[in-house]
Amino acid sequence: SQTIHQWPATLVQPVGSPLSLECTVEGTSNPNLYWYRQAAGRGLQLLFYSVGIGQISSEVPQNLSASRPQDRQFILSSKKLLLSDSGFYLCAWSPSFGTGGQPGGYTFGSGTRLTVV
Amino acid sequence: GNSVTQMEGPVTLSEEAFLTINCTYTATGYPSLFWYVQYPGEGLQLLLKATKADDKGSNKGFEATYRKETTSFHLEKGSVQVSDSAVYFCAQPSGGSYIPTFGRGTSLIVHP
Repeated sequence: SQTIHQWPATLVQPVGSPLSLECTVEGTSNPNLYWYRQAAGRGLQLLFYSVGIGQISSEVPQNLSASRPQDRQFILSSKKLLLSDSGFYLCAWSPSFGTGGQPGGYTFGSGTRLTVV
Repeated sequence: GNSVTQMEGPVTLSEEAFLTINCTYTATGYPSLFWYVQYPGEGLQLLLKATKADDKGSNKGFEATYRKETTSFHLEKGSVQVSDSAVYFCAQPSGGSYIPTFGRGTSLIVHP
């Protein structure tokens, strides 16, 4: 069965420090991968998505970047955190369109609570 | 592009009350529609889905019917429990790339 792992669960970082959040998927190949941010009391904001190794699409201009060094690994990074980067970050995957998977069947990780102080 | 609109919360109910959370969508064609649930401090979990018009998705006592005539996918439950307290998100794929589009989420609070 497919599983998704996201870590760390919580993180407190000072302003100006770097960030690296990691997400890995098991039990599937060539998944679509997504990073979302959920600010307190608000909905989900899509930050990045990837349809393959090295292919990253950014939805909003921001202080963050994403990379996909391996098929089932998705990393969210920042060189210098801002206070406004605080939030709940969620990684998700879905079958790629090319594999004939059900479009839109998304599976989420358990999230990382980031607090920038 | 495709979008979903959910009713604003919070929705506050007493245990065993009837629940409706409205969701309407705009889309070209007939995309699959989903409801996700997020319990406090956790990620989102798929609650139910419908893949074509007139389909009814159901799970854990929740139901939603894909109605193309009203472009709606309202979530219902006949008798809510305290453990149903969570945030509920309506979602659909967005365009040919199947990027998920989520509603803003509706918080449900169920009192004993």
